[in-house]
Amino acid sequence: ETGVTQTPRHLVMGMTNKKSLKCEQHLGHNAMYWYKQSAKKPLELMFVYNFKEQTENNSVPSRFSPECPNSSHLFLHLHTLQPEDSALYLCASSHHLAGESYEQYFGPGTRLTVT
Amino acid sequence: AQSVSQHNHHVILSEAASLELGCNYSYGGTVNLFWYVQYPGQHLQLLLKYFSGDPLVKGIKGFEAEFIKSKFSFNLRKPSVQWSDTAEYFCAVNASSTNAGKSTFGDGTTLTVKP
Repeated sequence: ETGVTQTPRHLVMGMTNKKSLKCEQHLGHNAMYWYKQSAKKPLELMFVYNFKEQTENNSVPSRFSPECPNSSHLFLHLHTLQPEDSALYLCASSHHLAGESYEQYFGPGTRLTVT
Repeated sequence: AQSVSQHNHHVILSEAASLELGCNYSYGGTVNLFWYVQYPGQHLQLLLKYFSGDPLVKGIKGFEAEFIKSKFSFNLRKPSVQWSDTAEYFCAVNASSTNAGKSTFGDGTTLTVKP
């Protein structure tokens, strides 16, 4: 049990579909992250939220839209995706205080396939 | 910008062999360093971390890593690997002076241990 859950675990969607990925953390953390993990590529940070405020957007295309309604929940809304967006999408959470550094706790990921 | 380099993409060892996985980073300031592990079918989890103090840090399952500041390295070691150590290993660096939540990950090293 990681304390970070993600749903769904697997998702197949067409390029014209709209879907959302959900992440929930039960660890009392105040920072949450979305990463993309593709085969043969390093883990790519997509978005960072601290205290529900987005603090990082790593040049992610607008077809990915994050939402963080509170410090325990994080969503990634998907629309008009491309086949190259197929990957494992990981959510993570951590404590965050200015000037401090903490390890991240990861969820199991959502395996996304875009057809 | 910080970057992380893991030199070995795929390492194959027999049980009881010694392991050393290389990790080098590029950043001139103070850093916090992590090794994460992803076992087959499981989520990414922390193996060990270095924030300050003794540069030789010990983690779970007999792993250790040594921070050598002059070499910008944080190599992971284990004296005797087991079949259950088969996994993907990621080195990550977090520069203290920047957004404390933003970690940069290496490409990962796949370790296969033959029984």
